[in-house]
Amino acid sequence: AQKVTQAQTEISVVEKEDVTLDCVYETRDTTYYLFWYKQPPSGELVFLIRRNSFDEQNEISGRYSWNFQKSTSSFNFTITASQVVDSAVYFCALSEARETSGSRLTFGEGTQLTVNP
Amino acid sequence: EAQVTQNPRYLITVTGKKLTVTCSQNMNHEYMSWYRQDPGLGLRQIYYSMNVEVTDKGDVPEGYKVSRKEKRNFPLILESPSPNQTSLYFCASSFSARGGGTQYFGPGTRLLVL
Repeated sequence: AQKVTQAQTEISVVEKEDVTLDCVYETRDTTYYLFWYKQPPSGELVFLIRRNSFDEQNEISGRYSWNFQKSTSSFNFTITASQVVDSAVYFCALSEARETSGSRLTFGEGTQLTVNP
Repeated sequence: EAQVTQNPRYLITVTGKKLTVTCSQNMNHEYMSWYRQDPGLGLRQIYYSMNVEVTDKGDVPEGYKVSRKEKRNFPLILESPSPNQTSLYFCASSFSARGGGTQYFGPGTRLLVL
């Protein structure tokens, strides 16, 4: 069975600090997909990134960067120079490539990030 | 604008009164699904649909029904709601039904069952 663990329940930082959100996953499949979603206080789920298991290149998008390491089954998310608007719950999720169950996502418990001015 | 819409956004009802939460996507996506989000339990899949007339149970299907008569719509039906179905519900859709596709979520429906 697949599992996603986000050990950090809550993180609090001061604006402009860098912060890393950890994500560790478990799966028996060799082909799988990892995601990060953001849930701001308004409640919607916003897609941030998708990464497949064959692509271990790190990715940077503005102040966001992601570090995927298969050797440690981790897919960590770093926000550089955090801003108050980054305050949200962040979810890491895993999807196995199954013909019969499609794109079912297994979510971690989420990390509540608070960025203080 | 490409989006997933849900209605209503907020709903207060009483035990046993049938209700339907609608979900619609305008992206011609094959795959659609419903999740519920609860404190301490996270996000869990209720039902999913691989295509029109193809639906199947997720992790927590008890007390729910779905249908997929058209590609764009995937309503969630609670025939006899109970207080333990008080939750935040999300509909999602994905282009590919084969697995691994990005799921885009609707804005959520907050349901309170008294």
